[in-house]
Amino acid sequence: EAGVAQSPRYKIIEKRQSVAFWCNPISGHATLYWYQQILGQGPKLLIQFQNNGVVDDSQLPKDRFSAERLKGVDSTLKIQPAKLEDSAVYLCASTSSGVWNTEAFFGQGTRLTVV
Amino acid sequence: AQSVTQLDSQVPVFEEAPVELRCNYSSSVSVYLFWYVQYPNQGLQLLLKYLSGSTLVESINGFEAEFNKSQTSFHLRKPSVHISDTAEYFCAVNALSGGYNKLIFGAGTRLAVHP
Repeated sequence: EAGVAQSPRYKIIEKRQSVAFWCNPISGHATLYWYQQILGQGPKLLIQFQNNGVVDDSQLPKDRFSAERLKGVDSTLKIQPAKLEDSAVYLCASTSSGVWNTEAFFGQGTRLTVV
Repeated sequence: AQSVTQLDSQVPVFEEAPVELRCNYSSSVSVYLFWYVQYPNQGLQLLLKYLSGSTLVESINGFEAEFNKSQTSFHLRKPSVHISDTAEYFCAVNALSGGYNKLIFGAGTRLAVHP
């Protein structure tokens, strides 16, 4: 079974630039999460999708962050414009449909550095 | 709302000594509990999970955790650690919120095993 795929692995941008991250979850997984992990902290949930619908985006800074999950499969997370404090690892995770107590599978993450 | 508190940000220990990493949670509904491990420059991996049944759960590499509902705790223990156990450990809670499961992480505990 293929795991959660994320790209790119690393990205360096200047502040005020835009950036996009891509995630391909495990096949058949209906729930997809995006987390932000700042150095030295635990993962913080940014947005959660159930199929192609958003079920929780309460901690997403909507003035600069956006995310979509077209056709309920792949997802992209965008930051526009980026700030220095957005430097972090962005993690994508997925869980299977209908069994909400199973483990979440994580991708390797995208390490973003904003300079 | 659910939350997770990891009481120690760093735990230094000598090789072959026992270790306990503490985790407390708060939630108004039934929860499912997880410990994830993150080795340097790697993604999050599930270490062990409590879903139901026996309150003591074990991992394949000698870690164990005990779910204590009255104390709302899920502490992680290992009787004898190895250098290779050096990593960041995250406690996580999965609970129903607004009709959907939500996976929330603690801030993490950095375990440093010294020879």
